[in-house]
Amino acid sequence: DTEVTQTPKHLVMGMTNKKSLKCEQHMGHRAMYWYKQKAKKPPELMFVYSYEKLSINESVPSRFSPECPNSSLLNLHLHALQPEDSALYLCASSQKTGYHEKLFFGSGTQLSVL
Amino acid sequence: QQQVKQSPQSLIVQKGGISIINCAYENTAFDYFPWYQQFPGKGPALLIAIRPDVSEKKEGRFTISFNKSAKQFSLHIMDSQPGDSATYFCAARHAGNNRKLIWGLGTSLAVNP
Repeated sequence: DTEVTQTPKHLVMGMTNKKSLKCEQHMGHRAMYWYKQKAKKPPELMFVYSYEKLSINESVPSRFSPECPNSSLLNLHLHALQPEDSALYLCASSQKTGYHEKLFFGSGTQLSVL
Repeated sequence: QQQVKQSPQSLIVQKGGISIINCAYENTAFDYFPWYQQFPGKGPALLIAIRPDVSEKKEGRFTISFNKSAKQFSLHIMDSQPGDSATYFCAARHAGNNRKLIWGLGTSLAVNP
């Protein structure tokens, strides 16, 4: 199994809602990532988890809250988002925790904030 | 400040032709140079990658050429096929700085049948 599975595929939420994005991998990878991608732009790093501990936070606003319950799961909790947060949210994993080598990406959650 | 400059922004190639995408960087502290391919509605997928101690790497129809002195690297897609139509991103990884990936802005490739 070489897949990173993200749910839901699409999400529409209001600015007062609370929602969560989920990511799962069963490749035994010990590094997991959240990226944000706007249309026709490259992915932007948000968070990195290494061995289930948060190791990088790219100064992401607190309305985004990551969580890594175990080595296979990664969540991104969303609260009080703004319309400009609408984007494709990508989860990725890599075997090496030496970061950003051979990233496996999921298909993403397309988020619309109304 | 774009540390990895990618060109062209878009590219149209005929089936069977060679697609060439170029990237240039400024920071000499990069130690790993991957190329990612992204289809609409999908996440990026690693296509091929190279380290700076190698000048060329080939995997099937895809080749990376790396010129360390010129701080440039390029992706060549031989015998381009309509199924290669996608957005291609080059990237470079910092040796320090949490080994962060710096991405190019992407090239939209269309291969005409």
